Amino acid sequence: DAKTTQPPSMDCAEGRAANLPCNHSTISGNEYVYWYRQIHSQGPQYIIHGLKNNETNEMASLIITEDRKSSTLILPHATLRDTAVYYCIVRVQAGTALIFGKGTTLSVSS
Amino acid sequence: EPEVTQTPSHQVTQMGQEVILRCVPISNHLYFYWYRQILGQKVEFLVSFYNNEISEKSEIFDDQFSVERPDGSNFTLKIRSTKLEDSAMYFCASTPGNYGYTFGSGTRLTVV
Repeated sequence: DAKTTQPPSMDCAEGRAANLPCNHSTISGNEYVYWYRQIHSQGPQYIIHGLKNNETNEMASLIITEDRKSSTLILPHATLRDTAVYYCIVRVQAGTALIFGKGTTLSVSS
Repeated sequence: EPEVTQTPSHQVTQMGQEVILRCVPISNHLYFYWYRQILGQKVEFLVSFYNNEISEKSEIFDDQFSVERPDGSNFTLKIRSTKLEDSAMYFCASTPGNYGYTFGSGTRLTVV
């Protein structure tokens, strides 16, 4: 699976958009970009995933560049409860193991 | 919303003892996983299970570990002879295959 690079930490003011970047320059054509988060020591939580097109769900939006070498997770209106470690993971679809890196620690403050 | 259920939430065991961690994946999911997270460290993949057999495993998953799906609902991780360094949160996860994983809330294993 392609390796990803994320900043170790980011800060965001409550109510503002949080934009979390991820570089995956070695991604191959059949690999998806997944985003998960882990709040404190809870189990990781699925947020969103995509292949080529931008995706949006009730939690977030995922913007993937045209060359697919990077992506951005957008939390449109961050709340204190969005404080967590966010993981960008690239993998082939259908059941292969997710391999977690160190992720980005997002701190949302009031 | 369907959940992955893990029991117990916290287990304390003596070094050298065997422990079994239990998980009930979401009923229509096909792929099952165990992960662990040592305090302050990243989430580490242990093993994946599909069609009643191990499909992938990491270097961590050595002979002291085993997994089983003894019936249609449970998925277990057995650690045969626990060591102090096995103390960690253990997470079970499942997926139908084409979507994201659903993780359980974990079992905190403390080896003393």
